[in-house]
Amino acid sequence: RKEVEQDPGPFNVPEGATVAFNCTYSNSASQSFFWYRQDCRKEPKLLMSVYSSGNEDGRFTAQLNRASQYISLLIRDSKLSDSATYLCVVMGYSGYSTLTFGKGTMLLVSP
Amino acid sequence: DAGVTQSPTHLIKTRGQHVTLRCSPISGHKSVSWYQQVLGQGPQFIFQYYEKEERGRGNFPDRFSARQFPNYSSELNVNALLLGDSALYLCASSSLGEGETQYFGPGTRLLVL
Repeated sequence: RKEVEQDPGPFNVPEGATVAFNCTYSNSASQSFFWYRQDCRKEPKLLMSVYSSGNEDGRFTAQLNRASQYISLLIRDSKLSDSATYLCVVMGYSGYSTLTFGKGTMLLVSP
Repeated sequence: DAGVTQSPTHLIKTRGQHVTLRCSPISGHKSVSWYQQVLGQGPQFIFQYYEKEERGRGNFPDRFSARQFPNYSSELNVNALLLGDSALYLCASSSLGEGETQYFGPGTRLLVL
């Protein structure tokens, strides 16, 4: 089983749609969780951290279920500029912190 | 504030050559991590350095090495390049004071022919 699994997509949605991405992770000792966004041929950029209580940043809502080892990202009212690859990322700690990335889910928002 | 910087932005090498990639972290960040991202995959952890000491190493061969300098900048060296080393090499810096959230540089795109 891969450490972090995501549906690779692509997800093709019209502007204004709501889209949800899911992610599962295998290491129950993982400590922190993130969604990064990566535009084509660019570096990953932190979108938001993910907490068990759920957190929201504008149109973006992230949720963590530690019992199910499941992370989600919801994007409401999609914009053309949301088109990118969304990377689910898990941080583990064993004397040092390291990030484990999923392969990413590609989102294409069309007019 | 300047973010993480990397040089060069692009590089073309041939099999068997070696390459040195450079990274300068965000001012005040003492930890630097290196990642390799091949096309269609998420980034894979290579090394992490903190205060000039190697803290961790991913599952990469000994052809890969790195070091961190007193000013916290870092170099990644790859010897005996293989075609499969073609990738985007990303450097990330972090600070213990920020929960070790990692911020990425623009990367160096390496093509091995």
